[in-house]
Amino acid sequence: KNEVEQSPQNLTAQEGEFITINCSYSVGISALHWLQQHPGGGIVSLFMLSSGKKKHGRLIATINIQEKHSSLHITASHPRDSAVYICAVPPLGETSGSRLTFGEGTQLTVNP
Amino acid sequence: EPEVTQTPSHQVTQMGQEVILRCVPISNHLYFYWYRQILGQKVEFLVSFYNNEISEKSEIFDDQFSVERPDGSNFTLKIRSTKLEDSAMYFCASSTYGAQYFGPGTRLLVL
Repeated sequence: KNEVEQSPQNLTAQEGEFITINCSYSVGISALHWLQQHPGGGIVSLFMLSSGKKKHGRLIATINIQEKHSSLHITASHPRDSAVYICAVPPLGETSGSRLTFGEGTQLTVNP
Repeated sequence: EPEVTQTPSHQVTQMGQEVILRCVPISNHLYFYWYRQILGQKVEFLVSFYNNEISEKSEIFDDQFSVERPDGSNFTLKIRSTKLEDSAMYFCASSTYGAQYFGPGTRLLVL
């Protein structure tokens, strides 16, 4: 069973700051998901990545498969980025159609 | 942009009652999932569904739970006799060969 650990659990930042959220997992995987959970509870998929780096707007996700580690960065953070950020992984060798194992999430609060 | 929808958004029920949570996945998606999140805890996998049958289920998904795809669009989760500990947010998701797309969730409260 894959153990997914995120750090920090809670993060408070000032608007404009660069944010980094980390995720590590115990068993090798083929891909990793980053998700955002809004205060109302809804979940949005941000990235699925297998290697290297992906960028979408102010969000950047990186992964090092060998080190079993991924990071989510937010540049020029804004109060609307306040949410819970969750990493999730499928079983080893699978990328589609498989259960995801979720981390505990990182609660991000960006103050104006 | 296509999205996964779920109904109802909130459901309150008495212990022992049956509930059906409904989901409409994205139309060309092949895989369907149910997850749940108990308040203050992490999201947990319940079941996945492919080609009109369960492809995987977790230890949580016992005989009280069932899933169905009654027509070409809906995907339902039934809890036969609800318990207090079934109170949670239930998320439906769907995918093709990549990212899973989540619905907004149904918040279930069992009294």
